[in-house]
Amino acid sequence: EVQLVQSGAEVKKPGESLRISCQGSGYTLTKYWISWVRQRPGRGLEWMGRIDPSQSYSNYGPSLQGHVTISVDKSISTVYLQWNSLRASDSAMYYCTRHAVAGTSYFDLWGQGTLVTVSS
Amino acid sequence: DIQMTQSPSTLSASVGDRVTITCRASQTISDWLAWYQQKPGKAPKLLIYKASRLQSGVPSRFSASGSGTEFTLTISSLQPDDFATYYCQHYNSFLISFGGGTKVEIK
Repeated sequence: EVQLVQSGAEVKKPGESLRISCQGSGYTLTKYWISWVRQRPGRGLEWMGRIDPSQSYSNYGPSLQGHVTISVDKSISTVYLQWNSLRASDSAMYYCTRHAVAGTSYFDLWGQGTLVTVSS
Repeated sequence: DIQMTQSPSTLSASVGDRVTITCRASQTISDWLAWYQQKPGKAPKLLIYKASRLQSGVPSRFSASGSGTEFTLTISSLQPDDFATYYCQHYNSFLISFGGGTKVEIK
């Protein structure tokens, strides 16, 4: 089955670091870009950034640049989203999602989501 | 940045109704637009890409049109499974932005 499986929910304190994961299966990870999309409680969808797993090249939305890092471990078909210093405003559901066609940016496959709660 | 504005933000309708949701872009985006459906507690699901192309497996009661700055998503006959929130999304190679969403609720 073609799917993206994300890591489980996390509860962290402000200032802590965190890395969440997204493992692709049933297809070749390096053939499709992966993006991360944030959804704060009761809010809409916000694109955070994406990575080309074949080249490990990533780019970020303007509001996230420098606050998060997207990386990939091709050997285990896994993409990561990492924070070095969490803020309360990072509390959200995070989805990884596959770009449907190389070079375009609409999303045909979504992970189940990872809920991140940041609270002191 | 290109801003995507959806209207209405909430829509009350009955089963069998024809429903139309509008998405406007702050500048022309050609036909680089997708539509998604999201149900509570679930990930979004792709319905439409390139403004009017129906994703495989999506019921034909969903249709969409538009180009430039104004786009619409239409559900020809609303079904119980269609009560959800709908998002438009602009995309090109490097820029991606979502509309604020339209919640379709039971009247």
